[in-house]
Parts: sequence; structure tokens; C-alpha cells
Amino acid sequence: SQQGEEDPQALSIQEGENATMNCSYKTSINNLQWYRQNSGRGLVHLILIRSNEREKHSGRLRVTLDTSKKSSSLLITASRAADTASYFCATVLSSSARQLTFGSGTQLTVLP
Amino acid sequence: DAMVIQNPRYQVTQFGKPVTLSCSQTLNHNVMYWYQQKSSQAPKLLFHYYDKDFNNEADTPDNFQSRRPNTSFCFLDIRSPGLGDAAMYLCATRASGVGTKETQYFGPGTRLLVL
Repeated sequence: SQQGEEDPQALSIQEGENATMNCSYKTSINNLQWYRQNSGRGLVHLILIRSNEREKHSGRLRVTLDTSKKSSSLLITASRAADTASYFCATVLSSSARQLTFGSGTQLTVLP
Repeated sequence: DAMVIQNPRYQVTQFGKPVTLSCSQTLNHNVMYWYQQKSSQAPKLLFHYYDKDFNNEADTPDNFQSRRPNTSFCFLDIRSPGLGDAAMYLCATRASGVGTKETQYFGPGTRLLVL
């Protein structure tokens, strides 16, 4: 069953602007991961945040996690046309069961 | 330098005609996954192997089966494809054990079309 819901479903911004995507989930988690998928391709791992962490950075990416609200956000700063892709959050429920359960995804379009 | 390879990238089959999709990896990861992703939807886990141990998701149809003859290769068999099985099929791997990252590495996918 789908664990996460993402919003917005679609986001269109101008190059140079920041893009924020949100993910909500239903049950307690061990960690939450963000993946990117270019059209018709496989997924690429972007960043992982553990349940005891509140914020992580990686280059132009910033991820936050609020376990009390069961939500996470992904911020892409200074967006580029090459950032156009679908972005999925995925949760891992426990350290023993490490399957990913994906959210519904956000389609980001960055206009040049 | 491809790490997770899926062949073919596009597969066309006929309604009811068995089809096999393949995945190979050069990462020597002991966990391998098969996902189904329909258009504009999230990937949905079908099953995974932890070494040779097969783990089926509860809602994976019986029509789908898998084989993992060795660490490097994993196959997805669809015994009698229906129109609803048209989708992108993604293979992924993960290393397990103390100190390993928990990220999954995905192949480029095989897009299946059922006529």
C-alpha cells in the first residue's frame, strides 16, 4: 500500500527559482529517502534522512523531516532546466524490513 | 560503467504470451528488487531477494514470478500478460550488512507493451 502522499502533484517554475516539494506519510519510519526519475528512466537516489535527524543538505538540496507531523520536504535551490524530473519520497519502516514504499511523486518542470 | 542493467529496454508481447525480463548487476549487492511502475504512478514493489531468499509482496499477482540463479542476475517472468500488465518494470539492488548505505540502485527499466 502507498505510504506517502506528495504535493504538489506538479510544479512548474522558472530557472533560478527554488522548488519545494512535500511528502506526508502514515506510520513511524526508520528513514526517508528522496529519489529523482527522469522521464522514462530509472530512479536515482538523492538523499536519505533518518528518523532522528531534522535536516540534511547535499549541494543544492535541502531535506527536512518532521516526525511529529509525519512529513518531509525537499527544497531544490537555484533550479536549472536539467532539474526537470519526477521526484519521489520513499519511506523505510524499520531497520529489519528495509523495503522502500514510494509516495505518489511530484513532477517538476523548470522552464529556461 | 552501467551498474544495474536491464534488458531489453522495450519489450512488446501479445496478450497471454509469456515474457521474461532480465536484470543484471555489477555491484555484487545481495538484495535485488523488482518494481512495477504504471504511467504517472509510484513504483510498486513486486518482490525482492535477500541473497537466495525470495520475498513476495502480499498483493503481487500469481501471474508474476521471479528467478535469481546467482548474485548477478534476476529475472521477472510474467506467465500470461494481460493488458493491465503494461508498465515500466524496474530492477534495483541494495547492499546489506553493517555499515552499508540503505540506498537502492535502479536500472533504467524495461517498458512492457501488451498487444
